[in-house]
Amino acid sequence: RKEVEQDPGPFNVPEGATVAFNCTYSNSASQSFFWYRQDCRKEPKLLMSVYSSGNEDGRFTAQLNRASQYISLLIRDSKLSDSATYLCKGRNAGNMLTFGGGTRLMVKP
Amino acid sequence: GAVVSQHPSRVICKSGTSVKIECRSLDFQATTMFWYRQFPKQSLMLMATSNEGSKATYEQGVEKDKFLINHASLTLSTLTVTSAHPEDSSFYICSARDPLVGGDTEAFFGQGTRLTVV
Repeated sequence: RKEVEQDPGPFNVPEGATVAFNCTYSNSASQSFFWYRQDCRKEPKLLMSVYSSGNEDGRFTAQLNRASQYISLLIRDSKLSDSATYLCKGRNAGNMLTFGGGTRLMVKP
Repeated sequence: GAVVSQHPSRVICKSGTSVKIECRSLDFQATTMFWYRQFPKQSLMLMATSNEGSKATYEQGVEKDKFLINHASLTLSTLTVTSAHPEDSSFYICSARDPLVGGDTEAFFGQGTRLTVV
């Protein structure tokens, strides 16, 4: 099992839909989690940190489920401009922050 | 906000030559910078952690004699790909941690360098 794992997708959703991605992690002691957005052939941009109590920023909500060892990202009212690859980051068994493989989202008109 | 500038954005070189990539933190002092490599449709793979004034820490499987990292100042880290081969063609990205932001937040990435070795 990969240490930080994501469904690569693509997730194809219509504009206005709500979509959620999960990211599983294997290091139960991991405290730091992040979601990034990466557009094609560009650098990643930090979307949000994931706190134990969750985190919300506009249409984006991140949650942490420690019991099942995953974090989630929920996007409400999807826009065409949300189309991108979403990367999670957590700690691996060696306690190094590691990126997941990314989930590709395509929002269609 | 803080900015990390990476140069060049794109480079094409001949097999066997060396290429230097620069990563600069423009308005903060970055004691730690990270170098990643990303192949098409794959995620970012950490190559090494660059610490100002000391030797870089390389990830398993990354040849330190091939990928030379120098972090001589608090605002500049360089990655030199020596004796480049076509299989080194990839997207190289640096990031810098702003100690004032705190914790493990890695918020600032360079624009990336697309290396093509012919």
